[in-house]
Amino acid sequence: DSGVTQTPKHLITATGQRVTLRCSPRSGDLSVYWYQQSLDQGLQFLIQYYNGEERAKGNILERFSAQQFPDLHSELNLSSLELGDSALYFCASSANPGLAGYSSYNEQFFGPGTRLTVL
Amino acid sequence: AQTVTQSQPEMSVQEAETVTLSCTYDTSESDYYLFWYKQPPSRQMILVIRQEAYKQQNATENRFSVNFQKAAKSFSLKISDSQLGDAAMYFCASQGGSEKLVFGKGTKLTVNP
Repeated sequence: DSGVTQTPKHLITATGQRVTLRCSPRSGDLSVYWYQQSLDQGLQFLIQYYNGEERAKGNILERFSAQQFPDLHSELNLSSLELGDSALYFCASSANPGLAGYSSYNEQFFGPGTRLTVL
Repeated sequence: AQTVTQSQPEMSVQEAETVTLSCTYDTSESDYYLFWYKQPPSRQMILVIRQEAYKQQNATENRFSVNFQKAAKSFSLKISDSQLGDAAMYFCASQGGSEKLVFGKGTKLTVNP
């Protein structure tokens, strides 16, 4: 158990709908990362939040958005869903990041993922 | 931009034997980290081993070790005394200053009894 929780475990919905995925980081971790794992694209970084602020953005579609709340939990909102959005969505958390532009080791602890199926 | 390439979609090994999974990467950063993650059928992402690019010594974790060739940008994973529980997808990943992990496509490892 990594200490990162994600809800729900499974989500089945229809095209055009909107869903919200929730992530609670490990106690004390300020950074939250969202990744998407699909058959087509593999594992891709979507977005990172640090202490409530967006810190980095990856290949995240405009139909997707995220936020991190004062209690540090994060939500990933997916709207106007398409068949191709079916994937496993992971949340990961880590402790304080290093200085911007300087890499420092911060192990990312992954949650169990949310399996999204769009029909 | 960082890229990670795993050229072996599938590998198999006999129980108790040794197997090596290949990974090459490309990065323009001078300071970065490399990782191998294991993803069993449960889909949980489990960190197997990490390597700091500034360290010349290859990382080891019990039966898992890496061969890090910085000039060749190669980072292979060796699993010794393979066990049935090692069967999983293995992902090579890199992390630079941007903190995000960049993953390869993965190698599916089968362990035969």
